[in-house]
Amino acid sequence: GQSLEQPSEVTAVEGAIVQINCTYQTSGFYGLSWYQQHDGGAPTFLSYNALDGLEETGRFSSFLSRSDSYGYLLLQELQMKDSASYFCAHQSGGYQKVTFGTGTKLQVIP
Amino acid sequence: GAGVSQSPSNKVTEKGKDVELRCDPISGHTALYWYRQSLGQGLEFLIYFQGNSAPDKSGLPSDRFSAERTGGSVSTLTIQRTQQEDSAVYLCASSPTGQGTYEQYFGPGTRLTVT
Repeated sequence: GQSLEQPSEVTAVEGAIVQINCTYQTSGFYGLSWYQQHDGGAPTFLSYNALDGLEETGRFSSFLSRSDSYGYLLLQELQMKDSASYFCAHQSGGYQKVTFGTGTKLQVIP
Repeated sequence: GAGVSQSPSNKVTEKGKDVELRCDPISGHTALYWYRQSLGQGLEFLIYFQGNSAPDKSGLPSDRFSAERTGGSVSTLTIQRTQQEDSAVYLCASSPTGQGTYEQYFGPGTRLTVT
């Protein structure tokens, strides 16, 4: 079946850099996405990787290695407002079923 | 433009009652997804629509759950004979295409509490 594993919690200092990892198992693969969700809010899209390598969007970057079934989200110049849960997600198997990871709760401290 | 809207925002119901949750996707988005999220947990895929068709219903937890979409727009998720374990936030998302791992736009969710 499909599964995506992430660390459950990460704590980092304001202004620092943090990396959130995602490892996955799937019978097919169409790309890896990342979403941010603040407490009580809806998930919002951050980035998408269809091919290996690094995608950069402002302070956020996302990396994918399909051969290693691994990706990560890199957040630079952390701000207090970055405190949220982060989910990786993929679509696989030729169907439109989207599987989300277990989620990583990021706490940014002063 | 308007984003994805869901109604009601909160629903409290008694065990055994039926509930209907509504999702209005972004105009022109052909793909629509329903997810369930329990407190502090990840998103559980329920069902996907491409137009009015649901190619994949495998995520629906039981036959008490059903969903439909009409006119390629509004979707309704119905839960019959609700149980306490159905309590969760139900999220709807839409996308301009069926490429689910590309950007999905989420609604604010419906918080369902079964007492």
